[in-house]
Amino acid sequence: QKEVEQDPGPLSVPEGAIVSLNCTYSNSAFQYFMWYRQYSRKGPELLMYTYSSGNKEDGRFTAQVDKSSKYISLFIRDSQPSDSATYLCAMIVAGKSTFGDGTTLTVKP
Amino acid sequence: DAMVIQNPRYQVTQFGKPVTLSCSQTLNHNVMYWYQQKSSQAPKLLFHYYDKDFNNEADTPDNFQSRRPNTSFCFLDIRSPGLGDAAMYLCATSRERGNYEQYFGPGTRLTVT
Repeated sequence: QKEVEQDPGPLSVPEGAIVSLNCTYSNSAFQYFMWYRQYSRKGPELLMYTYSSGNKEDGRFTAQVDKSSKYISLFIRDSQPSDSATYLCAMIVAGKSTFGDGTTLTVKP
Repeated sequence: DAMVIQNPRYQVTQFGKPVTLSCSQTLNHNVMYWYQQKSSQAPKLLFHYYDKDFNNEADTPDNFQSRRPNTSFCFLDIRSPGLGDAAMYLCATSRERGNYEQYFGPGTRLTVT
């Protein structure tokens, strides 16, 4: 079993929709929880990080962590075609990142 | 003002022919990482350097080697590429070990014929 499981895609939504991306994990020692965005044929780009349970908001993006359930989510409000990308969750323990396989999102105009 | 630069962006090599991928950074970060990412899969850490201290992952094949001649540059050497080594190779940096924020380069897509 993988340490980090990410909801498989692909996910296709109309412009303006609210998007929910989710990951579960098994290692309770994970310290940081991140979301990366990866455009096609590019490297991942850090979107958000958090280290505690609860919500963290940044513009149209909200990261949510529930440590008791070992579950993290990324919500995108008012989704735009430019949000079309693969979203990777990642978690850190002892300086080492473990990534999910990614969910590919397409936002249709 | 690119921060993590990888060259080349696309590399084609023959089965068994050694290949070297290059990464440079302008961030002056202490840690440099090499990841392998296959299609629709998570980036897989191969190894990392903390300054000159090399840290190999336990499941990284011996076929993969790395060099870091100075703070700015890091190289990935694949001694005898197999068809299974075709992938995107990502270089990343972070300021310190354990720092959550990693900066990724654009990647080198390796094709093995």
